[in-house]
Amino acid sequence: GENVEQHPSTLSVQEGDSAVIKCTYSDSASNYFPWYKQELGKRPQLIIDIRSNVGEKKDQRIAVTLNKTAKHFSLHITETQPEDSAVYFCAAADTTSGTYKYIFGTGTRLKVLA
Amino acid sequence: DSGVTQTPKHLITATGQRVTLRCSPRSGDLSVYWYQQSLDQGLQFLIQYYNGEERAKGNILERFSAQQFPDLHSELNLSSLELGDSALYFCASSVVGVTDTQYFGPGTRLTVL
Repeated sequence: GENVEQHPSTLSVQEGDSAVIKCTYSDSASNYFPWYKQELGKRPQLIIDIRSNVGEKKDQRIAVTLNKTAKHFSLHITETQPEDSAVYFCAAADTTSGTYKYIFGTGTRLKVLA
Repeated sequence: DSGVTQTPKHLITATGQRVTLRCSPRSGDLSVYWYQQSLDQGLQFLIQYYNGEERAKGNILERFSAQQFPDLHSELNLSSLELGDSALYFCASSVVGVTDTQYFGPGTRLTVL
């Protein structure tokens, strides 16, 4: 069945450095790719998303890139800060069919070391 | 505070029992989504309702069912509970569809003993 692979499962970076999290999806019909941040003990929050007609999207220190040919997309966080420490989930959805599939990656625990 | 409310916050029950989780979406949101988050399975999409109608189904077990009422609140019913059903269940809402920003509720932690 369809799945989304997410790497790495844990990532430690020094404050100020960049962090990159990668996801690969299997369903070529996927056309919507959100990223969620979940701090410890809190609810997931959407931080950025991208649709398949766009190759890159940026919002301040966060950017997402999409390579449809290779079926992978990545989250880039620049100038990391301690408050970026959280678990990040990617997801892929095919919204074109009458009922869509919405599949999450397994999560990446990001630790930003002060 | 996202504006999405869920009750109860915690639920402890025994195997074989049935429970109902409740979700009230943000004012104006027509879609409600249910997710299950467990340690070994990560975050899984269960089901979406839009304006009272089922819109999409994910990895929802046959023992689980949901509905959305005319006032747009939603309930997730879990029956014949098993130990493996212990998890955090999130509800989220969005204005219309999955490509709109989803706002998550605080979750209901279900423990099956």
